[in-house]
Amino acid sequence: AQKVTQAQTEISVVEKEDVTLDCVYETRDTTYYLFWYKQPPSGELVFLIRRNSFDEQNEISGRYSWNFQKSTSSFNFTITASQVVDSAVYFCALSGLNTGGFKTIFGAGTRLFVKA
Amino acid sequence: EAGVAQSPRYKIIEKRQSVAFWCNPISGHATLYWYQQILGQGPKLLIQFQNNGVVDDSQLPKDRFSAERLKGVDSTLKIQPAKLEDSAVYLCASSLVGAVSSNQPQHFGDGTRLSIL
Repeated sequence: AQKVTQAQTEISVVEKEDVTLDCVYETRDTTYYLFWYKQPPSGELVFLIRRNSFDEQNEISGRYSWNFQKSTSSFNFTITASQVVDSAVYFCALSGLNTGGFKTIFGAGTRLFVKA
Repeated sequence: EAGVAQSPRYKIIEKRQSVAFWCNPISGHATLYWYQQILGQGPKLLIQFQNNGVVDDSQLPKDRFSAERLKGVDSTLKIQPAKLEDSAVYLCASSLVGAVSSNQPQHFGDGTRLSIL
């Protein structure tokens, strides 16, 4: 069975602080993908990053960085120097190869409040 | 590039009534998904199409929910009859078809917020 756990329900920080959003996953698949999506108040989920199970390289994109560790089944997301516009719900998702194609499951999300 | 289009944006109905949602994916995206997102939770996949074929509908309550994608482009999701617990945001997403060893990111619409009275 596949499972994604985002233990942090809500996080509140002050602008310019760094913040890390945790994601722990469970899967028996050897081929799988991990994603992070952002859901601002408008409601539309926006794709941020995709990582496959064979690539454990960390990635940095501007103020965003991601740390993928298969040994701990974690795919954590760090925002450096947070800004008010980062306020949103962030979802971690896991997509494993099943019969007929990939099936994606989402975590419950972490709501991030960034205060000015 | 135009995004995923959904309508209506909001819908309020009474329980036991029927409702339908429409989705037009990004042009060229063969895979289309319908998700249910209950307040405070992550999206839950209801049904996944590849072109006009169903890839996964294991979490679709088939006694009341139905979906179709007849021409492999736009899709409709129907609930009949609606129950109170169906109150949620219904999200449509689309993606390119990846190779067997690949999985493409999904592009989401704004969703339809359904309230059941």
